[in-house]
Amino acid sequence: AQKVTQAQTEISVVEKEDVTLDCVYETRDTTYYLFWYKQPPSGELVFLIRRNSFDEQNEISGRYSWNFQKSTSSFNFTITASQVVDSAVYFCALNNAGNMLTFGGGTRLMVKP
Amino acid sequence: DAGITQSPRHKVTETGTPVTLRCHQTENHRYMYWYRQDPGHGLRLIHYSYGVKDTDKGEVSDGYSVSRSKTEDFLLTLESATSSQTSVYFCAISQGVAGGPSGTDTQYFGPGTRLTVL
Repeated sequence: AQKVTQAQTEISVVEKEDVTLDCVYETRDTTYYLFWYKQPPSGELVFLIRRNSFDEQNEISGRYSWNFQKSTSSFNFTITASQVVDSAVYFCALNNAGNMLTFGGGTRLMVKP
Repeated sequence: DAGITQSPRHKVTETGTPVTLRCHQTENHRYMYWYRQDPGHGLRLIHYSYGVKDTDKGEVSDGYSVSRSKTEDFLLTLESATSSQTSVYFCAISQGVAGGPSGTDTQYFGPGTRLTVL
């Protein structure tokens, strides 16, 4: 069985602060894929990143960066210099190369001006 | 953006009535999925399809059935709606490869359908 835990249910920061969203996963498979999705207040789910278990390189995309550590089964997401538009619910998800995406419970990020 | 539409976008119905939600894609992707989103649970897979007339159960399939008669359409049916099925329903698609699982592919989501069962 696979499981994704996002222990932070809600985070509040002031604009321009850096913020890290934690994601811890459990799987018995050696091949798996990790994802982050963003759900803004409008409700749609927006794909942010996909990572496979054999690629532990950190990734940076503008103000977003991801830290994948197999040793701690974590795939954390950092937003640098947060903006009000970053306010959303963020989901981490795991797929063990099967057909089911397992989601964490989500972290609600509120960025205040 | 992936071409995925869901209809209706909002629906209120009464306990015991049948309900059908439709997902339509214009991407010609092989895999289609139905999820439900409930507070504290993230999204949970109900059913998925890996081709026309090929479907399988997900984590929370009880009380739901699906059909896929065309590549572009995936229908979710609640035969007799219950209040516990009040939720937001999302359809997703992924490209997939013939004969293999879709786990390597990114799933792209539709806009969602908010269903309320009174």
